[in-house]
Amino acid sequence: GENVEQHPSTLSVQEGDSAVIKCTYSDSASNYFPWYKQELGKRPQLIIDIRSNVGEKKDQRIAVTLNKTAKHFSLHITETQPEDSAVYFCAASRSSGTYKYIFGTGTRLKVLA
Amino acid sequence: NAGVTQTPKFQVLKTGQSMTLQCAQDMNHEYMSWYRQDPGMGLRLIHYSVGAGITDQGEVPNGYNVSRSTTEDFPLRLLSAAPSQTSVYFCASSTQGVQPQHFGDGTRLSIL
Repeated sequence: GENVEQHPSTLSVQEGDSAVIKCTYSDSASNYFPWYKQELGKRPQLIIDIRSNVGEKKDQRIAVTLNKTAKHFSLHITETQPEDSAVYFCAASRSSGTYKYIFGTGTRLKVLA
Repeated sequence: NAGVTQTPKFQVLKTGQSMTLQCAQDMNHEYMSWYRQDPGMGLRLIHYSVGAGITDQGEVPNGYNVSRSTTEDFPLRLLSAAPSQTSVYFCASSTQGVQPQHFGDGTRLSIL
């Protein structure tokens, strides 16, 4: 079945450094890739997404890149701040046909002040 | 604007009991879905709905029922609670054809 692998499971960076989280998907028909941020005890929040017709998307300090040939996509956070500390989830889906989203298992990011 | 509202926030059940988790949204979103979140396993889709009167199964539907009589409400029913259903449950909504945009605060459910 469809699968999304996410790495690393935990990541610690110094404040101001960059963080990169990578996801690999198995369904070659996937064409929509969102990222969610979940603070401890809170709801997931959509922070950025990318569609298969785009290779990169940026929103201030956050960017996502997509490599369809290799079937992987990555979240890049630059100039990390303590408030970036959270669990980040990737997901992959097809935008047509069945409405099903497969999530990665999450990355716990710790930004050390 | 309340967004997505889930009730209750916490619940403890005994094995075999049934209950309904409530979810309501006031954004007139067509798509609604239920996820469960377990440690180390991310979010898994239980059931979803693409509009009033239309529901379908997700990745882990066994033991759960849903209905969508109105656009606003999408309750999740546990038919006969089992310890394996101990989890945090999130309801989400989105505009037509789009990813889960808005999540509720979640319901933490423990089955003894």
